[in-house]
Amino acid sequence: SQQGEEDPQALSIQEGENATMNCSYKTSINNLQWYRQNSGRGLVHLILIRSNEREKHSGRLRVTLDTSKKSSSLLITASRAADTASYFCATDALRGAQKLVFGQGTRLTINP
Amino acid sequence: GAGVSQSPSNKVTEKGKDVELRCDPISGHTALYWYRQSLGQGLEFLIYFQGNSAPDKSGLPSDRFSAERTGGSVSTLTIQRTQQEDSAVYLCASSLAGVAGDTDTQYFGPGTRLTVL
Repeated sequence: SQQGEEDPQALSIQEGENATMNCSYKTSINNLQWYRQNSGRGLVHLILIRSNEREKHSGRLRVTLDTSKKSSSLLITASRAADTASYFCATDALRGAQKLVFGQGTRLTINP
Repeated sequence: GAGVSQSPSNKVTEKGKDVELRCDPISGHTALYWYRQSLGQGLEFLIYFQGNSAPDKSGLPSDRFSAERTGGSVSTLTIQRTQQEDSAVYLCASSLAGVAGDTDTQYFGPGTRLTVL
């Protein structure tokens, strides 16, 4: 079954507003990563947060991780039209497995 | 090149034909991954290579799918006797490590869009 699930499935906001996307997962993890995908092609890595970290920042991105709730959130501040894309969280299992398990993604639309 | 490259970028084939998809990972990356993404869906893991060996093939959907990696670099994903349900974007990723117990950042190629008519 799918490890990560994003919420909401789609989000539409005005340029300049903040966008928050959530991700839940089911099993213990080593780390959680967020990716962006434009036009259904290659994924761009945004940020990696390890299981012993609670919050991480990168530019306008802020990621939190709550391992007790098995959830993560991605906040994009001061959104821009160029942020329009699909956003995926991906997790790796705690033991052995090297594969990433992706959620279904959140489709974010920034309206000018 | 600086990033992961894949070829072809688009492939249209007829049902029953075989196809080969190629991935060139970032130089020096020992781990290589294949994923598949159907329309509007998340990514589905297919296979993982560490060097030339594939410790995890658990995601290959049937025995029509196979992959190899030579010289610790280029990988080829082969789909035999393609079916319409094989239509998807096939994405390759590479990472520096992939050592058990930790997963490094995976860098993705642009993908190959496969359409089976």
